[in-house]
Amino acid sequence: DVKVTQSSRYLVKRTGEKVFLECVQDMDHENMFWYRQDPGLGLRLIYFSYDVKMKEKGDIPEGYSVSREKKERFSLILESASTNQTSMYLCASSLRVHEQYFGPGTRLTVT
Amino acid sequence: DAKTTQPTSMDCAEGRAANLPCNHSTISGNEYVYWYRQIHSQGPQYIIHGLKNNETNEMASLIITEDRKSSTLILPHATLRDTAVYYCIVRADFGNEKLTFGTGTRLTIIP
Repeated sequence: DVKVTQSSRYLVKRTGEKVFLECVQDMDHENMFWYRQDPGLGLRLIYFSYDVKMKEKGDIPEGYSVSREKKERFSLILESASTNQTSMYLCASSLRVHEQYFGPGTRLTVT
Repeated sequence: DAKTTQPTSMDCAEGRAANLPCNHSTISGNEYVYWYRQIHSQGPQYIIHGLKNNETNEMASLIITEDRKSSTLILPHATLRDTAVYYCIVRADFGNEKLTFGTGTRLTIIP
């Protein structure tokens, strides 16, 4: 079974802190994604990566950056966390086929 | 990618077939229909996808109308564990792997 793991289920950070969210997949997938999920807005794509050191902006990249130094790991970085970045963050991975596999999510609260 | 329209919520009795509709009237010829679901506190899970023909797997059946402007996901014998938000997504199968999630249908299975 494909496994996508995220470093934390719950995280509380202060405004202005630098925040790292880590995602690891164990199936040698080429593509990895970061989404955020907010009530009434569904899932929105922040960034995705289709290869090591490659990244593409999604629909809402402002305030975020990403890093993919190894194929299995995709990090989401909040350079200076703000309260409007309080959200559920979901990581996913896929081969070049139809299915994306999602991790359990990290619920981030910025106070 | 084409926009989809789904009912906000539906109920279904346990053991009965759950039929979830999706309208995608602006779908293009190269766009697939995907269904994912998200059980509370978990990441989304792939269910099924199709292009023109009806599809069936161990989880569900997907019925796509001949003009491809709408589709129905069928869970043949719904159980309480099928209570979730169901997302219908339309996406072309080339280029990047981006999925655009809407707000989905909240399906509640009633005992």
